[in-house]
Amino acid sequence: AQTVTQSQPEMSVQEAETVTLSCTYDTSESDYYLFWYKQPPSRQMILVIRQEAYKQQNATENRFSVNFQKAAKSFSLKISDSQLGDAAMYFCAYRPPLGETSGSRLTFGEGTQLTVNP
Amino acid sequence: ETGVTQTPRHLVMGMTNKKSLKCEQHLGHNAMYWYKQSAKKPLELMFVYSLEERVENNSVPSRFSPECPNSSHLFLHLHTLQPEDSALYLCASSQDAGGGLYGYTFGSGTRLTVV
Repeated sequence: AQTVTQSQPEMSVQEAETVTLSCTYDTSESDYYLFWYKQPPSRQMILVIRQEAYKQQNATENRFSVNFQKAAKSFSLKISDSQLGDAAMYFCAYRPPLGETSGSRLTFGEGTQLTVNP
Repeated sequence: ETGVTQTPRHLVMGMTNKKSLKCEQHLGHNAMYWYKQSAKKPLELMFVYSLEERVENNSVPSRFSPECPNSSHLFLHLHTLQPEDSALYLCASSQDAGGGLYGYTFGSGTRLTVV
């Protein structure tokens, strides 16, 4: 079974600075999808960024970017120019290849609580 | 507008009560999910529905009973719960039961407290 590990239960960053959240995963597949979700105090999980494993280029969404290291099975999230509104719990998630009929759900890590200090 | 709406937002119930959680999506998604989120634990997948048919039940106790009358609505019926069932219950939807190319769209959850 796939596992997703977020080794940093808590992180903090100063406003306007950069922070990197770590995520590693375990899979025997070569084609899969990875996601980062954000859960602010409002509790709604919001998709931040996604990466297809077959793409070598790292995904970028405005101030959010990933460092996808396929061989190392690492998928870290970098937040640049951190803002107070970035404070939230961040979850890394793995999705198996399309077409799988069993176990083809998102597997989530335990989350990293990010604090942004003014 | 989140696309996935959950009600109620908060619920306090006694162990002998019967209550229901409701989830509604208007995104045209074909799959809906119930997750349990407890403090310091990963999200626990409870049930998966695809085209109104339950396709996954992850060994959830029978005191939780899901219902999916159509592709837009999902319920979680609760009865004789235990205090350890207190948690945030999240509903999600996706294009297909595999999670779709774009993952899930989540609701804001129902914070359940069992007293």
